[in-house]
Amino acid sequence: GEDVEQSLFLSVREGDSSVINCTYTDSSSTYLYWYKQEPGAGLQLLTYIFSNMDMKQDQRLTVLLNKKDKHLSLRIADTQTGDSAIYFCAEMWYGGATNKLIFGTGTLLAVQP
Amino acid sequence: DTGVSQDPRHKITKRGQNVTFRCDPISEHNRLYWYRQTLGQGPEFLTYFQNEAQLEKSRLLSDRFSAERPKGSFSTLEIQRTEQGDSAMYLCASSLEGSYEQYFGPGTRLTVT
Repeated sequence: GEDVEQSLFLSVREGDSSVINCTYTDSSSTYLYWYKQEPGAGLQLLTYIFSNMDMKQDQRLTVLLNKKDKHLSLRIADTQTGDSAIYFCAEMWYGGATNKLIFGTGTLLAVQP
Repeated sequence: DTGVSQDPRHKITKRGQNVTFRCDPISEHNRLYWYRQTLGQGPEFLTYFQNEAQLEKSRLLSDRFSAERPKGSFSTLEIQRTEQGDSAMYLCASSLEGSYEQYFGPGTRLTVT
């Protein structure tokens, strides 16, 4: 089945690292994503990783993938107040002609100054 | 900026009325998706177009919902006889065939009173 789970809330101090975790169930997923959503806004694609990789780094963002445990994490280094938002993990699901995204419920990141 | 645009950004309507939303994808993106996001949840897939062909509809899309993409460019999502349960953010995303990146618009927030 399709299910993506995330913890609901994370609070960190400005300058610390944040780690947001996600578990997914579809072992055939080939792409996994992190999106950021600020209040009242749409979703911003932050980064994604192909399932044959176990790590991807992009500036302050590091994605780790443990395919055996179906666990994905997003590490944000030197977290800033502007990083406060909801972060969604998503897996790409293939079915017929469609490649839709299956999202988790989101993790609210609160950055304390 | 040539990102995905959606119109209107907000819509308040009375129960039983019909509403129509518009999405303009990124130029040359031939794939277009509609998602719905309710409060505190991640987006859920509604329907998918490749060019002008609607290739998949979620079971979330009741008979009151219809989506079109007549010329393979912009798309409309119509909800007939709105119900309070239709209140949500309706998100549109687009991607280029062969790419695994879906880019989202700012969404249309629907409130049914």
